[in-house]
Amino acid sequence: ILNVEQSPQSLHVQEGDSTNFTCSFPSSNFYALHWYRWETAKSPEALFVMTLNGDEKKKGRISATLNTKEGYSYLYIKGSQPEDSATYLCASHGSGNTGKLIFGQGTTLQVKP
Amino acid sequence: EPEVTQTPSHQVTQMGQEVILRCVPISNHLYFYWYRQILGQKVEFLVSFYNNEISEKSEIFDDQFSVERPDGSNFTLKIRSTKLEDSAMYFCASRKRLQETQYFGPGTRLLVL
Repeated sequence: ILNVEQSPQSLHVQEGDSTNFTCSFPSSNFYALHWYRWETAKSPEALFVMTLNGDEKKKGRISATLNTKEGYSYLYIKGSQPEDSATYLCASHGSGNTGKLIFGQGTTLQVKP
Repeated sequence: EPEVTQTPSHQVTQMGQEVILRCVPISNHLYFYWYRQILGQKVEFLVSFYNNEISEKSEIFDDQFSVERPDGSNFTLKIRSTKLEDSAMYFCASRKRLQETQYFGPGTRLLVL
C-alpha cells in the first residue's frame, strides 16, 4: 500500500519570498508523481507529471524535482505572489495498470501581500 | 480548454437516501475515476473505470456504490443508501492515457444528515 506524505502541512510567507515543499512516497513500484494546485471551489489544477529519476520541470515561477531512488519530490515557488495561495497536492501513481493516484495530505500556502 | 464538469456542486440528503453524482469527463479520454475527500483527510481513491467496466476499486467502494457510463459522455457515481460517513467532497477525474495528466472536476460536496 502506498503512503504519500507531504510537509509542511501549512506555510505562511510574505510576498516575494521563495518557498519549497516536500512530497515523499514509497520508491518501490513507482510509475509517476503528480503535482496539483488546488484552490477552494475550483478543480485541482495539474502542474506536473514526473516519471524519471532526476526529472526537473518548470512552469513559470514554479518548478519541481524528482528523486525516485529515495522517494521524494520538491516543489519550489520563486518570488511567491498572493495568487499562489492554494493547497498543493502531490500524488503517486504506482505501476498498476489502472492509474489510480494516492494522494498526500497537501501543503496549504498562504502568501501575505 | 476542455474540462471535467460535475453536477450538482452541493447536495444535501437524508441518511438512507440514494444519491447520484454526475460527471462529464473530457470527451476523448478513456480512463475515468472517482475520488473523495472527507473533511480534514487525504483525497482517497474510490474506483477506476476503463473500457466500460470497473478496473479497480478500493475497500471503501462496497456494494452501496456503483458507477455507470450510460451514454458515452456522462460518468455517474451512485450511492444506494447513504450513511453519515459518506459526507465528503467527491471528485471525478479522467485521462487520455495512463502516463498522462489526470484531470479533475471541481467536485460535489455531499452532506448526509
